[in-house]
Amino acid sequence: GQQLNQSPQSMFIQEGEDVSMNCTSSSIFNTWLWYKQDPGEGPVLLIALYKAGELTSNGRLTAQFGITRKDSFLNISASIPSDVGIYFCAGRISGGGADGLTFGKGTHLIIQP
Amino acid sequence: SAVISQKPSRDICQRGTSLTIQCQVDSQVTMMFWYRQQPGQSLTLIATANQGSEATYESGFVIDKFPISRPNLTFSTLTVSNMSPEDSSIYLCSVETGFYEKLLFGSGTQLSVL
Repeated sequence: GQQLNQSPQSMFIQEGEDVSMNCTSSSIFNTWLWYKQDPGEGPVLLIALYKAGELTSNGRLTAQFGITRKDSFLNISASIPSDVGIYFCAGRISGGGADGLTFGKGTHLIIQP
Repeated sequence: SAVISQKPSRDICQRGTSLTIQCQVDSQVTMMFWYRQQPGQSLTLIATANQGSEATYESGFVIDKFPISRPNLTFSTLTVSNMSPEDSSIYLCSVETGFYEKLLFGSGTQLSVL
């Protein structure tokens, strides 16, 4: 199956700092999704990207679909304590069905006040 | 977007027993999916549940161990059978909504097997 490399695996940052994480793949994807998971909860969809080069924001979050269609990044500006959690990227090769969706291993974000 | 209710939210079970997890969606959806998230790991698709047909299982998952029901377009169950400590995981129900292929998740069931 497809492989997604998500980095960094974990981040320890100070409150107020900006955060950047990315996912890369050996395969071309048609869709990139970014999720956040809080402890004891299911992943919550943050941003969905559908076109190469697309840049989409959701509040302090910004994500981009790489031009090569093999990568995506997520930025969080001015981090706050509630940003703590695990962030997952997911990529899909063809339309329809979760069986085409590959998840990264996640980035653990830890914020020190 | 769809609201997905999953229960139980957590359970502690004895080895050899079975647990059935329920997933209810507040709107009709064609495809429902069940994922497993082992401790500290990413999400792994167990099976796709379609209404009116047998579930489609991913490699490494079998119907005898993870039987799935999908009686209508808003409800599904996943049973974890003959549990062992290796089954301790978070089990997640998900649905695909809308034209833009957004996969949404329930809040998950945290299962611990002793």
